[in-house]
Amino acid sequence: AQTVTQSQPEMSVQEAETVTLSCTYDTSENNYYLFWYKQPPSRQMILVIRQEAYKQQNATENRFSVNFQKAAKSFSLKISDSQLGDTAMYFCAFPYTDKLIFGTGTRLQVFP
Amino acid sequence: DADVTQTPRNRITKTGKRIMLECSQTKGHDRMYWYRQDPGLGLRLIYYSFDVKDINKGEISDGYSVSRQAQAKFSLSLESAIPNQTALYFCATSQLGSGTDTQYFGPGTRLTVL
Repeated sequence: AQTVTQSQPEMSVQEAETVTLSCTYDTSENNYYLFWYKQPPSRQMILVIRQEAYKQQNATENRFSVNFQKAAKSFSLKISDSQLGDTAMYFCAFPYTDKLIFGTGTRLQVFP
Repeated sequence: DADVTQTPRNRITKTGKRIMLECSQTKGHDRMYWYRQDPGLGLRLIYYSFDVKDINKGEISDGYSVSRQAQAKFSLSLESAIPNQTALYFCATSQLGSGTDTQYFGPGTRLTVL
């Protein structure tokens, strides 16, 4: 079965600090993308960052970066210089037969 | 204007009623999806459509039906709503298969079944 696991239901970080959210997955696919989505209190699902599995270089989008370890099937999200607006649920997702499978999410609270 | 819209944004209904949730997109994408979100369970796929003539069941399709009226419109129906269908429902679109491209989400519909 294709699965994705986010083992941290909740995390907190102080403003301006760095936090890392974990995600592991299991797939038999060889070429795929991985995604992190953010869901703020407004409940909109917003794409944060995506990683192409065949690229060795980790993706970066401003303060957001990933640590992608293909052999370990690990895809963690690092948020640098955390801001209050980063408070949200964060979902890891990966594709399986043209569908996305989502993790159960990590609730991140950024404190002033 | 938003690329993916959902109506209504919030709905309260009673057990046994028929409900339709609508999704429209202006992104020109062929592929559309309906997800359900429950606390602690993440998003689960209900139905998906790769074009107007192609409808597929997801992992939790029981109790739901869909209609792809046009490339831009994909509706989800609850024929006889029950309380455990209370959830947040999302529509999403993508241009290619999600293995190679991003899914874009609507704002969600919060449905409460009493």
